[in-house]
Amino acid sequence: NAGVTQTPKFQVLKTGQSMTLQCAQDMNHEYMSWYRQDPGMGLRLIHYSVGAGITDQGEVPNGYNVSRSTTEDFPLRLLSAAPSQTSVYFCASSPTGSTGYTFGSGTRLTVV
Amino acid sequence: QKEVEQDPGPLSVPEGAIVSLNCTYSNSAFQYFMWYRQYSRKGPELLMYTYSSGNKEDGRFTAQVDKSSKYISLFIRDSQPSDSATYLCAMRRNTGNQFYFGTGTSLTVIP
Repeated sequence: NAGVTQTPKFQVLKTGQSMTLQCAQDMNHEYMSWYRQDPGMGLRLIHYSVGAGITDQGEVPNGYNVSRSTTEDFPLRLLSAAPSQTSVYFCASSPTGSTGYTFGSGTRLTVV
Repeated sequence: QKEVEQDPGPLSVPEGAIVSLNCTYSNSAFQYFMWYRQYSRKGPELLMYTYSSGNKEDGRFTAQVDKSSKYISLFIRDSQPSDSATYLCAMRRNTGNQFYFGTGTSLTVIP
């Protein structure tokens, strides 16, 4: 039981490049979310999903896309990277969405 | 005004001390309250979860919710150096799927 697995752990992108952050969970959780964590800002919700095929926007969705084709996977796509997207990204999953989330170990992204 | 306010600290205490960590919030609709612990360069780990008002105890940890004051607390008894981490509060309304997080309080327990 690996929990929530995020890859890669570190990434450096040039402005304008695109990439996909991978997230997979093996707990059969319906709810999955992507957060970014910035100093002094706390964790902010980017996108979330309440089940396969269902996604919705969070607090800071601009510049990011998601899809949920399976229960296990919830990738986050950066369409055209900007320096403002330099952050630590966390994927999280929950069985119900109200009893707390299990977080992955994070992806540290730097956009230069 | 942020939905959730949390003093960032840093907070430094001697081993064995009782630690009190707090968050205030502005939205009276919040019903689910959580505390997470985050070690440096790791993901947050769920410590305590409470619904609505009241207290909840788990080992050395006690979570309190005072909805009338819009104030939640986490108490750590007999603090240990391994408790050194950042503690995040989070809360959610009864409807909707978004959790609102505090910015975290950095705690160091000195041996």
